Amino acid sequence: QVQLVQSGAEVKKPGASVKVSCKASGYTFSKYEIHWVRQASGQGLEWMGWVNPNSGKTAYAQGFQGRITLTTDASITTVYMELSSLRSDDTAVYYCARRDKGAWGSTWLDPWGQGTLVTVSS
Amino acid sequence: QIVLTQPPSSSATPGEPARLTCTLPSDINVGAYNIYWYQQKPGSPPKFLLYYFSDSDKGQGSGVPSRFSGSKDASANSGILLISEVQSEDEADYYCVIWPTDTVIFGGGTKLAVL
Repeated sequence: QVQLVQSGAEVKKPGASVKVSCKASGYTFSKYEIHWVRQASGQGLEWMGWVNPNSGKTAYAQGFQGRITLTTDASITTVYMELSSLRSDDTAVYYCARRDKGAWGSTWLDPWGQGTLVTVSS
Repeated sequence: QIVLTQPPSSSATPGEPARLTCTLPSDINVGAYNIYWYQQKPGSPPKFLLYYFSDSDKGQGSGVPSRFSGSKDASANSGILLISEVQSEDEADYYCVIWPTDTVIFGGGTKLAVL
């Protein structure tokens, strides 16, 4: 079955970088964009960006421009999200999700990875 | 910056219907967008429920019960998630989403309590 499995929890100091992985299985890796969404504790969902594993094209939310880098490694069907210059308010659960498409331009995120908790603390 | 407005909380009685709203800003016409809905339970990632554009263009997520459906209220410029007969397991957070161009906009979410 289609599955996205993320790397484990991370603890980082302010100013550091974090790199979270998302391993895809059960489908043709190159055919689907992978999106990243984060959620601070008790808060809503915040979209961060996407990467096209076939072309390498990326798009980032304005609030993350300059700090986020999405990359892929097709040989191991894995997508990476790197966030730099971490601050305490970057503490959140980070999710990857596959973009699926239906008829008439419909599109949605499914499935999702299990989430990775990133804690930023001195 | 597009903001989708959802009431922070709502409540429903088992067996009764529930109606959750997602209001778009006045400069964006709800009629032009697919409205997507996600359900999230504590400790779990979000789950895609359905999308609604019109009665002839809508879709249900895999395994999503038919008691979940979507609609729009053009007069309120809103998307609507309807749960026809709420069950206790429907207690969760619900998020609406639109996809303008290549970006994704989430609403703030509504916490549905089943009392």
